[in-house]
This record gives sequence, C-alpha cells and structure tokens, in this order.
Amino acid sequence: DGGITQSPKYLFRKEGQNVTLSCEQNLNHDAMYWYRQDPGQGLRLIYYSQIVNDFQKGDIAEGYSVSREKKESFPLTVTSAQKNPTAFYLCASSILPGTNEQYFGPGTRLTVT
Amino acid sequence: QKEVEQNSGPLSVPEGAIASLNCTYSDRGSQSFFWYRQYSGKSPELIMSIYSNGDKEDGRFTAQLNKASQYVSLLIRDSQPSDSATYLCAVGSNSNSGYALNFGKGTSLLVTP
Repeated sequence: DGGITQSPKYLFRKEGQNVTLSCEQNLNHDAMYWYRQDPGQGLRLIYYSQIVNDFQKGDIAEGYSVSREKKESFPLTVTSAQKNPTAFYLCASSILPGTNEQYFGPGTRLTVT
Repeated sequence: QKEVEQNSGPLSVPEGAIASLNCTYSDRGSQSFFWYRQYSGKSPELIMSIYSNGDKEDGRFTAQLNKASQYVSLLIRDSQPSDSATYLCAVGSNSNSGYALNFGKGTSLLVTP
C-alpha cells in the first residue's frame, strides 16, 4: 500500500535531549513537509524539501533540523534549542512542488517534560 | 501575513441536515484551496480540493469558491454522526514557501443523532 508513515506514534523525552522523528513515503512524491500542530492552533510549517539534498526553512524552523538524503525519507530532529517542543508533528508530501494536494502521515505526538 | 480564517465552532447540526463550513483568506494570489477533515487525535485527511470559481461536488461534499470575495466553503449534505470532526481549510499560493499550504485553525462540527 502506498502512503506516508511516521514513527513513533508517541514519543516522550526529557528536556535537554534531542529527538528524531521519522517520516517515510512510498508515493514517489517529490516534495515533503513538516508541520507542527498545537491545541486550538492551525498547522505551522517547520521545514520543507522539494528535491533530494535540498531543504528550506519554514515559518518556525528555530530549534529544528532536517535532512533529505533519499526521496522517500525526510526525518526531523527536535533539538534542545526548541523552547516548546511538546506538540503534534505532521509530515506531508505532494507529487510536485506547487500548489498541489498534500497528503499527511499519521503524526507523532511528542511530549517533553 | 497570509491569513486563513475559520469560525472555530462548534457547529452543531442534526443528523440528515446540511452542514455549511466557511473560510476566508487574505492572499489574493491564492490559487488552490483544500478542505481537510481531522478526527480527534488523528492527522488531517484531504476530502476536497478546488481551484476555480464555482462549485465542485464529490458525493455528499460540495466545495464552493469565490475568488472575488476571497471565500471558500464546504457543504456536507445528509450529515452523519461520523462527520463529526474538525474541518481545516487550507490555501495554497505559488508565493508560499515551497508551495506549502496556509491552514486555518479549523471548525469543529458536531452532528447529533
């Protein structure tokens, strides 16, 4: 089955620790995105990538890092520099860069205490 | 600042009625418009996309777009309790970072039996 997978579903970490969230897609999509969702808030763009080995900062990139070494994979690292890391993290992809439809993975809920 | 505005709700409708969800956007250069359904604790699911003025129907769902008024809506006919969810309006523009989408905060819909 084609789709986007994210792991883990739930993640708990202590403050000061870096953590990496996985995102994999087998849809052969070119573009991939990371969003963050907080309760009662809209989705906010963290990073995006339109092609392999290239990625750009979104609106709230501070405290996050990404890599895009393979078309299928776009992992997100939440560093200790991120002041409020507890959130629901959503990975999305689209078939082409452009105003096309984006499809979301199931999300990772990160709790940092 | 590109804004996408939605009434947070909750919008309560009886089973079998028509639910009408509305969205306004600020960027006149917006070119693509999407409705996502998000159940509590789950990721957004794309249910409708619309690119040109007028109506687009898909089953019980109808999306309506009026670019002059910067307004997009979603009608759900014969509403079912399973339609109870938060509906996110998303707007795309070529000028957005990596063609990412701007999301509204969502409207909570409750369909009562």
